[in-house]
Order: sequence, then C-alpha cells, then structure tokens
Amino acid sequence: AQKITQTQPGMFVQEKEAVTLDCTYDTSDPSYGLFWYKQPSSGEMIFLIYQGSYDQQNATEGRYSLNFQKARKSANLVISASQLGDSAMYFCVTSYGKLTFGQGTILTVHP
Amino acid sequence: GAGVSQSPSNKVTEKGKDVELRCDPISGHTALYWYRQSLGQGLEFLIYFQGNSAPDKSGLPSDRFSAERTGGSVSTLTIQRTQQEDSAVYLCASSLLFRASGGRAGELFFGEGSRLTVL
Repeated sequence: AQKITQTQPGMFVQEKEAVTLDCTYDTSDPSYGLFWYKQPSSGEMIFLIYQGSYDQQNATEGRYSLNFQKARKSANLVISASQLGDSAMYFCVTSYGKLTFGQGTILTVHP
Repeated sequence: GAGVSQSPSNKVTEKGKDVELRCDPISGHTALYWYRQSLGQGLEFLIYFQGNSAPDKSGLPSDRFSAERTGGSVSTLTIQRTQQEDSAVYLCASSLLFRASGGRAGELFFGEGSRLTVL
C-alpha cells in the first residue's frame, strides 16, 4: 500500500519569495513516480512537475523544482519567486496503481 | 475533443434517486480514474480502470456505487439511492500509461468534474 503525507494544511508566503511545500511518502515499490498538481479555486487540476524514482537529477519546470530525497522518501515542491497566481491547493501524488493523493496544502501568496 | 470530458457538469437530485456520471477520456489513454472531492478537501480515490478492467475497487464507498468502462474508452459511475453525503465533485482523470515506469506518460489529465448535489 502507498501513503502520501502533506503535513502543512496551509502555508503563507510573500510575493516574490520562495516557498517549500512538504511531501513524504511510503511505498514498497522499487519503481514509482511522484507528481505535484495545483488546484486553484476554479477547481481545475494543473500538472506542475514529475519525478521518477530512478531519475538521477531533481526535476525542474520553470519556477517549480522538486527536492527529491529518495532515502528519506520525501519529495518537497519548491516554488521560487512566488506570484499571486500561485495561491491554490497543491497536491502531491504517487504514480502507481490507484495514484494516491496527499491531503493537500493551501498556499496563500500575499502581495 | 482534446481533453477529458465529463457530464453532466452539475447535477441536483433528490435523496434516493439514482444518478449516472459519465467520463470520456482522452483518446488512446489506457488508464482511467474516478475520484471524489468534497468542498475544500483532498481527493478521495474511488476506482481506476486499466483498459476495461478495474483492478482496484477498494475506494468505492458502498455497494450503492458502481462503475464500468466499455471499449477501453467511456466510463460511467453510477450511484444508486443517493444520500446527502454523496454530495461532492466527482473528478475523472485519464493517463496514457498505467505503469510507474511510464514516467511522464503516467501524467493524469483531469476533466472539469461533475458537481453532484443531493437534496
């Protein structure tokens, strides 16, 4: 069974600053992937970034980067230079089987 | 269409009635997932399909819930004798590949959801 834990129900950040959203997971599968999705108040789910368990380097996608620490089973999302439009719910998701979602973190960016 | 399509987008029904929610995935996507999301909450897994088979139905809340997928394409989620606690947004997603080694091919593409309100 897989488990995803996002320990931060809510986070606040000042515009233009960086923020880290935590995600830890628990899986016995040797091969897996991790996704981060963003869900703004409009409700749509937006893909942000993907990390494969065998990837040698941490994933980056524009202002998003993933701090992947395999031994610690953590896959924290780092958003650099936060923008007001980054305010949303963020989900960490394992990629295998039923695709387990974390509880989500609500990020609020202040001007 | 190019994306995942769900219908109806909104459904208001009376307690005890049956409802059907439809999901039309992206053409060629082998994996299809149903989730449920209550207001301000995370996503609750319901069921997923690999092709037409559903290896994991463990998320279905009760025997009032059922789902099928035909032709490896369209899926229908049926809720019988609806209860007020069934009120939520039901999200469908599809992905090109199912297996973890598919990498980015495992990316989920979501529909806009079906908002169900049971009075």
